Amino acid sequence: GAVVSQHPSRVICKSGTSVKIECRSLDFQATTMFWYRQFPKQSLMLMATSNEGSKATYEQGVEKDKFLINHASLTLSTLTVTSAHPEDSSFYICSPTRGEVDYGYTFGSGTRLTVV
Amino acid sequence: AQSVTQPDIHITVSEGASLELRCNYSYGATPYLFWYVQSPGQGLQLLLKYFSGDTLVQGIKGFEAEFKRSQSSFNLRKPSVHWSDAAEYFCAVGGLTGGGNKLTFGTGTQLKVEL
Repeated sequence: GAVVSQHPSRVICKSGTSVKIECRSLDFQATTMFWYRQFPKQSLMLMATSNEGSKATYEQGVEKDKFLINHASLTLSTLTVTSAHPEDSSFYICSPTRGEVDYGYTFGSGTRLTVV
Repeated sequence: AQSVTQPDIHITVSEGASLELRCNYSYGATPYLFWYVQSPGQGLQLLLKYFSGDTLVQGIKGFEAEFKRSQSSFNLRKPSVHWSDAAEYFCAVGGLTGGGNKLTFGTGTQLKVEL
């Protein structure tokens, strides 16, 4: 169980455009979704936490108007990087969770975003 | 605030040698502790976790870790390393207080295995 699908795996976009990343929990209902960002050779940094049907909570320093998170259902969450710039180039990873049972151990395979 | 320190940025071991990756944490309550492995361009795979109970935890791929509350440590060990173990390893801490069940990751240890 606990299968996560994240798409796309890689995306290249032009500066100023928007990119949407999808994260699906295929065999469980994710009440909470975490979105992380990982710069090269660095650790994962939590960007935001979203609960199904509620507004996302963003970590300090993360622009909520730039990184739009939608968690409209228990199996799908999206992260949209709006007006992307080269400094947004990073590896984005989602982590859906359904509570303590699978606490912290389901992650998507990540999305490599390159903004040119 | 919770934090994790992985003192070793890079470690190189010979295939067949033993391995220990260090992890120290700071957390205000009983921590939930994890070790993950990440191959280049991939997501994270859980190796093992500690919630409570036996402080020596067995994981996948022959890894184990020992929770030592007095030392605030959760070091990862493997008795005999295989070339396929070369990857990035992350220690993480979390709990169910404050900000919910979010995790804080260490900066990672890059493991190289010499054949």
